[in-house]
Amino acid sequence: LAKTTQPISMDSYEGQEVNITCSHNNIATNDYITWYQQFPSQGPRFIIQGYKTKVTNEVASLFIPADRKSSTLSLPRVSLSDTAVYYCLVGDRYTGGFKTIFGAGTRLFVKA
Amino acid sequence: DSGVTQTPKHLITATGQRVTLRCSPRSGDLSVYWYQQSLDQGLQFLIQYYNGEERAKGNILERFSAQQFPDLHSELNLSSLELGDSALYFCASSVASSVTGDTEAFFGQGTRLTVV
Repeated sequence: LAKTTQPISMDSYEGQEVNITCSHNNIATNDYITWYQQFPSQGPRFIIQGYKTKVTNEVASLFIPADRKSSTLSLPRVSLSDTAVYYCLVGDRYTGGFKTIFGAGTRLFVKA
Repeated sequence: DSGVTQTPKHLITATGQRVTLRCSPRSGDLSVYWYQQSLDQGLQFLIQYYNGEERAKGNILERFSAQQFPDLHSELNLSSLELGDSALYFCASSVASSVTGDTEAFFGQGTRLTVV
């Protein structure tokens, strides 16, 4: 069972780039790395997913080094509305299916 | 809008009672997942169904049960409710039950259960 570790909380200011790193030392060969965002009292929302190297979409970038034991979510020029909890997940291979295990997440607080 | 519909949005009930939470997945999604999130806590995986069959089980209490029907909607049944069962219950759906972990899940807005 792949386990993830990420900082409990981070503070930033509007307009700054925020990098949240997640470690997943036991990642399996076929596992993907996925990040979700959750606002209070709302369901998590998919941000980005990757397997190796770098993935970029309209909201974030995901950097994955060659050993894949960690990954970094990069949020460019954050705004107040990016204040949320960010979860790093690693695809869990499980006989007969897979389950998405959420850790404690990183609580990002963006200040004006 | 994620396309996942959960009803009811809010539910208040007394201890010892039984409730049923309902989830309609996105069109075409075969997998349904249930999660519990207590106040200021992370998401606890409860159970997953794939095309009508139980596929994975997490920290689900024996007082709780779930099923997925032929039309792919799912229900989570909570019985003998206790104060500690008060939480947000989320349902998520995805296209497949992937063994490679590369499937995005879409979450509903949740059902807020309050046990008094």
